[in-house]
Amino acid sequence: AQSVAQPEDQVNVAEGNPLTVKCTYSVSGNPYLFWYVQYPNRGLQFLLKYITGDNLVKGSYGFEAEFNKSQTSFHLKKPSALVSDSALYFCAVRPTGANNLFFGTGTRLTVIP
Amino acid sequence: SAVISQKPSRDICQRGTSLTIQCQVDSQVTMMFWYRQQPGQSLTLIATANQGSEATYESGFVIDKFPISRPNLTFSTLTVSNMSPEDSSIYLCSVETSGGVNEQFFGPGTRLTVL
Repeated sequence: AQSVAQPEDQVNVAEGNPLTVKCTYSVSGNPYLFWYVQYPNRGLQFLLKYITGDNLVKGSYGFEAEFNKSQTSFHLKKPSALVSDSALYFCAVRPTGANNLFFGTGTRLTVIP
Repeated sequence: SAVISQKPSRDICQRGTSLTIQCQVDSQVTMMFWYRQQPGQSLTLIATANQGSEATYESGFVIDKFPISRPNLTFSTLTVSNMSPEDSSIYLCSVETSGGVNEQFFGPGTRLTVL
């Protein structure tokens, strides 16, 4: 069965510090990996994706994510957090041959001024 | 990218009634999906809306409860039938543009409360 795990419901980080939001997955084959962000009272926005190639992918708003095949992880990172980064972050995977996404349970990021 | 609108943005409905949610995209898209996000939970795929044929439902979702239409490549509707409080949720339409492996774009969602 396909599954996506975001082990932390909540992540707090001080403004200016680096942040990491964790994601691991259990999916057959070589899935495509995504991060989305949901701001309060707004829709889900795409941040970045990994399809193939370089394990470090860069996305919107200075975010990046590192794909680690051996650990089946795709952690989201940012070198210096902003208060405006406070939001709900979802990791998602698309199994090989599938069209739809499987989402993790979400991690609420709070950046403290 | 694609710009997606949903109507209504929110509604409060009585138990036993039905609500139809509309999803409109500003360009023709191959794939359209309907997701549900229950309070405090993640997104769950309800079905893939297929143009010109019946929708493909995920395990746990049935056509009688969630009938879907997709008359063309820019529009789809999801009906939540015979509603109960357990159907209170955010319903999201998403699309994937054609060509390669593209990210899915999501509509703003419809917040449904069933009393």
